[in-house]
This record gives sequence, C-alpha cells and structure tokens, in this order.
Amino acid sequence: DIVMTQSPDSLAVSLGERATISCKSSQSVLFSSNNKNYLAWFQQKPGQPPKLLIYWASIRESGVPDRFSGSGSGTDFTLTISNLQAEDVAVYYCQQYYSTRMYTFGQGTKVEIK
Amino acid sequence: QVQLVESGGGVVQPGRSLRLSCAASGFTFSNYGMHWVRQAPGKGLDWVAVIWSDGNTKYYTDSVKGRFTISRDNSKNTLYLQMNSLRGEDTAVYYCVRVDGHFDYWGQGTLVIVSS
Repeated sequence: DIVMTQSPDSLAVSLGERATISCKSSQSVLFSSNNKNYLAWFQQKPGQPPKLLIYWASIRESGVPDRFSGSGSGTDFTLTISNLQAEDVAVYYCQQYYSTRMYTFGQGTKVEIK
Repeated sequence: QVQLVESGGGVVQPGRSLRLSCAASGFTFSNYGMHWVRQAPGKGLDWVAVIWSDGNTKYYTDSVKGRFTISRDNSKNTLYLQMNSLRGEDTAVYYCVRVDGHFDYWGQGTLVIVSS
C-alpha cells in the first residue's frame, strides 16, 4: 500500500500570511506514460464532506480561489494557501489515486488562525 | 448539478448487518466509477471500496474484505454498500464519492454507529 504522510499535523497562521502543508508518499505517484501525478488535495470543514481543491497535484478545481496552489512531483507534494483567510480554517488532506486497488489519504493537517 | 444522497445509516448491534444506499443524479451514473469512503468520529478519511462503471470490478480495503460488498444498479442510478458482521470500529460517517480520475463529488454522508 502507498502510505501518505502529511506534515505538520496542525499549524496556526496569521490572517493574510501563507500556510504550507507537505505530503509525502511512500512510493512515486507519477505515472510515466502520461506524466501525471495522481495526487489530490481536499479541504474539510466541521460537519461537511471533503471538498476537492487540487487534482493531478497542481490543477485547481473550478471555483477554488487562486490563493490555493499545489506543487510537487513523484513522492513530495505541497499545498500552499497564500493570503490565508478566516474561511480557510479547516482540515486538509492529500490523497493518492495512483493505486487503483487501494486509495489512501494522508492523516490530515488542521489549519487554524494565529 | 451532480447530487449524491446517502441513506441507510443508523445504530446497529455488533455482528449485525446494514445496507447503505447512495442515490445519484445530475450525471450519467453508468459512466463513472464510484467509491465509499468513511470517517470515524474525530478521525481522518478512510477509503473503503470502489466499483468501476460496469459493476464488474471491485476492490476493498483489507479491514472490510469478506464483510462488505459494494454494488450498483445503473438502471436506478444507485450505489450500495452491504455491510455484514459489523464491528465497533466500523462506526463512521460513510460517504459515497464519484470518480472522474480523481474524487470529484462527495455526498453529505450517512452515520453508522455500531454499538450494543
């Protein structure tokens, strides 16, 4: 199984500042035949289902503010929230969909306002 | 618009069974793979099972193999999860999720509590 490890588990950032979340996979999620990283990021607020933010590691889902960006390749990925807003307080998860027999999520990173 | 509405959750005793349903609308259900993902209270996301669009290919996480069965009825635009031999650790909100390569649409979830 591909293990996804996020860091940190939680972070507190001042309004307007940048939040950076790391996600590492135990093996590469880059599919060589199409050069795509099978990595997504989700945001989950209390009492709500997860919301897709980023897919293919760096493609922003329609309607997602451009302060959210994803980067990385292979086994190392980053979600960056620039200019943090109060409504960005949530838990963020990375997920690999490279392994079509066992999909795995990171443990989550809680983002709070400092 | 895409809608996924889960139902069938509730309180059940350990060892008993429960069947969850997910009614899909707003898209051509038969063209998409579908998943169940669960989330125990206060915990992270845990992938449970997938069924491909034709209904013939299915995969499960190890902890539910032999106990849970995912299925779909494309004529009714409905996804199912038959859960047998339920355990306390199966207590969670269960989400159905549409897949278009990535997990793009999630239902609101249905809560399953396994308790005596």
